[in-house]
Amino acid sequence: DGGITQSPKYLFRKEGQNVTLSCEQNLNHDAMYWYRQDPGQGLRLIYYSQIVNDFQKGDIAEGYSVSREKKESFPLTVTSAQKNPTAFYLCASSIARTGTGRPEAFFGQGTRLTVV
Amino acid sequence: AQSVTQLDSQVPVFEEAPVELRCNYSSSVSVYLFWYVQYPNQGLQLLLKYLSGSTLVKGINGFEAEFNKSQTSFHLRKPSVHISDTAEYFCAVTSPGIWNQNAGGTSYGKLTFGQGTILTVHP
Repeated sequence: DGGITQSPKYLFRKEGQNVTLSCEQNLNHDAMYWYRQDPGQGLRLIYYSQIVNDFQKGDIAEGYSVSREKKESFPLTVTSAQKNPTAFYLCASSIARTGTGRPEAFFGQGTRLTVV
Repeated sequence: AQSVTQLDSQVPVFEEAPVELRCNYSSSVSVYLFWYVQYPNQGLQLLLKYLSGSTLVKGINGFEAEFNKSQTSFHLRKPSVHISDTAEYFCAVTSPGIWNQNAGGTSYGKLTFGQGTILTVHP
């Protein structure tokens, strides 16, 4: 089945440690996204990438880093510079090019990160 | 810049009653609009989308939404809700296309989400 896989589902880390969240898709989508979700704040965009080896900062990129070396993969690193990293993180992908009638994003099941 | 405002953070309703979840957007260009549903500790699932054409859009699970350009709204409705509709609902907007120099073509814009509306259906 085609889809987006995020791993792990739950992640615990000590304060001050970097942690990398995995996101893999087999939908052949060009665009991939990382969102952070906190109660009552909706989804806030961290980073997005519309093509391999290229990515842009979203609204809350500080304290995060990404890479896009392969079309299928878009890992997110939460660094020690992120002041409040405990949150639910969602990865998504979509067809980037216009004219397809398919602008919607497909989401993974999320990773809940808890920093203690 | 685009923005989305969901006017109600929580909507309680009794089973089999109708419900409307309100969404307003702001954009200087034409938009595509979406409603997503999220069950606890899961990802988001697309309910429906508006791209063009008929302003009344039907989606999955009996939901529908109406695009109103003059009021910049995209409200979600269901005539009779079930307990299983209890979830959080998100309205989202994107632009039809922006030039992407690195991709060498026009790409859909990134999705901007509202703050979410928690729908609770009581028996």
